[in-house]
Amino acid sequence: DAMVIQNPRYQVTQFGKPVTLSCSQTLNHNVMYWYQQKSSQAPKLLFHYYDKDFNNEADTPDNFQSRRPNTSFCFLDIRSPGLGDTAMYLCATSKRLAGSTDTQYFGPGTRLTVL
Amino acid sequence: AQSVAQPEDQVNVAEGNPLTVKCTYSVSGNPYLFWYVQYPNRGLQFLLKYITGDNLVKGSYGFEAEFNKSQTSFHLKKPSALVSDSALYFCAVRDGNGGFKTIFGAGTRLFVKA
Repeated sequence: DAMVIQNPRYQVTQFGKPVTLSCSQTLNHNVMYWYQQKSSQAPKLLFHYYDKDFNNEADTPDNFQSRRPNTSFCFLDIRSPGLGDTAMYLCATSKRLAGSTDTQYFGPGTRLTVL
Repeated sequence: AQSVAQPEDQVNVAEGNPLTVKCTYSVSGNPYLFWYVQYPNRGLQFLLKYITGDNLVKGSYGFEAEFNKSQTSFHLKKPSALVSDSALYFCAVRDGNGGFKTIFGAGTRLFVKA
């Protein structure tokens, strides 16, 4: 059974046209993360939510925003995508946060292409 | 600061032979160590983790990893490779002394030849 679901799996957008990626989870986990992964590179953390508390990484561009309307859903909004934002976007969840031994569970990812 | 090094971009091994994918780490506190596998156009799948206890950790699909504190290493191993093991493997570390952020290595591509 799918535990972390991402939609769409593939998204093509034009330069500067806003795009929203969706993530949902059936694990009832407190923490949801968004990672950006460029071709064959390590995933890079953009931000995370612990319940409703939003935490942005210092080097995440302002162009990237996130919303978490409830425990199950989290959205990644890219306000004005640039060519350099072409990447795989991974959503992940975990039960706890600081000092945690918990495993992160990843969704299948959304491959975003900016033309 | 935490860091993870995977010194090999690619590992090639023949089917049926043992495989090793190397990982070394650096953290200020106790390390929590993870291995994930990624197949093309898919998310990361958890393989195994080391938190405490026995240095040899067994995980999914016949993989295991050995934690070596003195060498700050956490190498991934499998006694007999399968063609289906061909994928991208990521080592990751979290600082157990209050750190929340998981740092991933750059990844190692494993290619198993039939």
